[in-house]
Amino acid sequence: DQQVKQNSPSLSVQEGRISILNCDYTNSMFDYFLWYKKYPAEGPTFLISISSIKDKNEDGRFTVFLNKSAKHLSLHIVPSQPGDSAVYFCAAGGLGNKLVFGAGTILRVKS
Amino acid sequence: DAGVIQSPRHEVTEMGQEVTLRCKPISGHDYLFWYRQTMMRGLELLIYFNNNVPIDDSGMPEDRFSAKMPNASFSTLKIQPSEPRDSAVYFCASSRPSDYGYTFGSGTRLTVV
Repeated sequence: DQQVKQNSPSLSVQEGRISILNCDYTNSMFDYFLWYKKYPAEGPTFLISISSIKDKNEDGRFTVFLNKSAKHLSLHIVPSQPGDSAVYFCAAGGLGNKLVFGAGTILRVKS
Repeated sequence: DAGVIQSPRHEVTEMGQEVTLRCKPISGHDYLFWYRQTMMRGLELLIYFNNNVPIDDSGMPEDRFSAKMPNASFSTLKIQPSEPRDSAVYFCASSRPSDYGYTFGSGTRLTVV
């Protein structure tokens, strides 16, 4: 019973173009959502978050959009850079203090 | 701030052996989490502690897995006996109550042969 789903295992994008990573969730009780980025041989690092009362949060090249009615969020990276190549995890929180993570999406940015 | 420290970074062991993974959380962080990363399931929460007390261990796969937090600066995750299907990367993370997210360690890559 995966509560957070990232249906695309991988995504390949040309440098300079937009990367869009998607995430769906099933539990409407989640209070906030986060994106983590993970490089090989390192732990995940926090990238950006959004509260359930908002529909958009922007931080530099990274924007997260939340569609509560569809239980869907997305991460946009514009413009994409080779250094953005990593695994991106979507996570949801608000049920106690624990985060529920998706399976991750491998992003490859080609130069 | 040294971050969350995990040891060892890599562990290769034979099936049936006991394995102990270690974690030192960030000082002042009241919450400690153990996650396992696999290709199929991504990051799964195994167990988490608040002020050294286990709060939710529903993610622990079976009785072969156990975790302890004897004090605020140290936690262990033990697998006894280990099996090849336990092969994965195990992450420890910590946070404060006011934090939205966690700080993760670099992980321990466990291979059981």
